[in-house]
Amino acid sequence: RKEVEQDPGPFNVPEGATVAFNCTYSNSASQSFFWYRQDCRKEPKLLMSVYSSGNEDGRFTAQLNRASQYISLLIRDSKLSDSATYLCVVPRGPNTDKLIFGTGTRLQVFP
Amino acid sequence: DAGVTQSPTHLIKTRGQQVTLRCSPKSGHDTVSWYQQALGQGPQFIFQYYEEEERQRGNFPDRFSGHQFPNYSSELNVNALLLGDSALYLCASSLPGLNQETQYFGPGTRLLVL
Repeated sequence: RKEVEQDPGPFNVPEGATVAFNCTYSNSASQSFFWYRQDCRKEPKLLMSVYSSGNEDGRFTAQLNRASQYISLLIRDSKLSDSATYLCVVPRGPNTDKLIFGTGTRLQVFP
Repeated sequence: DAGVTQSPTHLIKTRGQQVTLRCSPKSGHDTVSWYQQALGQGPQFIFQYYEEEERQRGNFPDRFSGHQFPNYSSELNVNALLLGDSALYLCASSLPGLNQETQYFGPGTRLLVL
């Protein structure tokens, strides 16, 4: 099993749609989780951090299920500007900042 | 406040050559990590430098080496380049202490090996 697995997509959704991405991880000792956003040919940028059961920031909601070892990212009311690749990121262990990235899920929002 | 900067932005090399990439961390950050991102993949951890020493290392051969300077800037060196080394090389810096897991990425250096 890969350390971090994501559905690569692409997810093609219309503006205003709600879309959800899932990510599974293998290291049960991980305590914190991140979603990064990466635009085409740009660097990854932190979107959300998840330290407990979940986190919400405007249209974005991240949820954590420790028992099943998966993290989800929900985007409501999709905008054209949400088109990007969303990377699920898990530190290798509880006392390390070595980040393990998933391959990313590509989202394309169309008019 | 300048963010993470990297140079050069693009580079073309041929097989067998050596390359040096440079990174300046965000102001106040003392830890620098390097990642390799191949096309269509997520970034892969190469190594991390803290207090001028390599603190952690990913699954990369010894051809990949680095250095951190007293001002916290860092270099990534790759010897004996292979075609498969073509990728986007990202540098990320982080704060000391509890916020170490929040890393800020530079724009990357795009390396093409011919």
